[in-house]
Amino acid sequence: EAGVAQSPRYKIIEKRQSVAFWCNPISGHATLYWYQQILGQGPKLLIQFQNNGVVDDSQLPKDRFSAERLKGVDSTLKIQPAKLEDSAVYLCASSQLGNEQFFGPGTRLTVL
Amino acid sequence: AQSVTQLDSQVPVFEEAPVELRCNYSSSVSVYLFWYVQYPNQGLQLLLKYLSGSTLVESINGFEAEFNKSQTSFHLRKPSVHISDTAEYFCAVSDRDFNKFYFGSGTKLNVKP
Repeated sequence: EAGVAQSPRYKIIEKRQSVAFWCNPISGHATLYWYQQILGQGPKLLIQFQNNGVVDDSQLPKDRFSAERLKGVDSTLKIQPAKLEDSAVYLCASSQLGNEQFFGPGTRLTVL
Repeated sequence: AQSVTQLDSQVPVFEEAPVELRCNYSSSVSVYLFWYVQYPNQGLQLLLKYLSGSTLVESINGFEAEFNKSQTSFHLRKPSVHISDTAEYFCAVSDRDFNKFYFGSGTKLNVKP
């Protein structure tokens, strides 16, 4: 069974630029999560999708972050414009309803 | 909201020594408990989990964790560590519907030869 795929693995941008991350969950997993992991901290949930609907986006900075999962499969997380404090690893995870999460390798974002 | 506390940010230990990584959570309701491991430049991998039943759960690589409801703890232990166990370990809590996950800040285990 293939795992959660994410791309790119690394991204370096300057502040005020835009960036997008892509995630392809495990086949059949209805729930998809985006986490932000700042260096030295645990993952923080940004947004949770159930199929193509948003379940929880209470911690998503909506003035600059957006995410979509149009067909209920893969998902894109965008930051526009980026700030220095957005430097982090962005993790995508997926799960079947009522089961634990499986994580992708993450995208390491550096904002200069 | 629930919170997860991992008091030790770093734990240095010599190879073949025992280790305990501490995890405490705050919750007034029943929860599920997890330990994830993150090797350098990789995503999180599930190490073990407690859902119900026996309060002592084990992983395939020798780690174990014990759910202690009265102390709201889920400490991770290994009687003899290897160099390959060097990684960051995260404790996590979810509600019984797996709807929300809360992660601790992580403990870096550094196994020295």
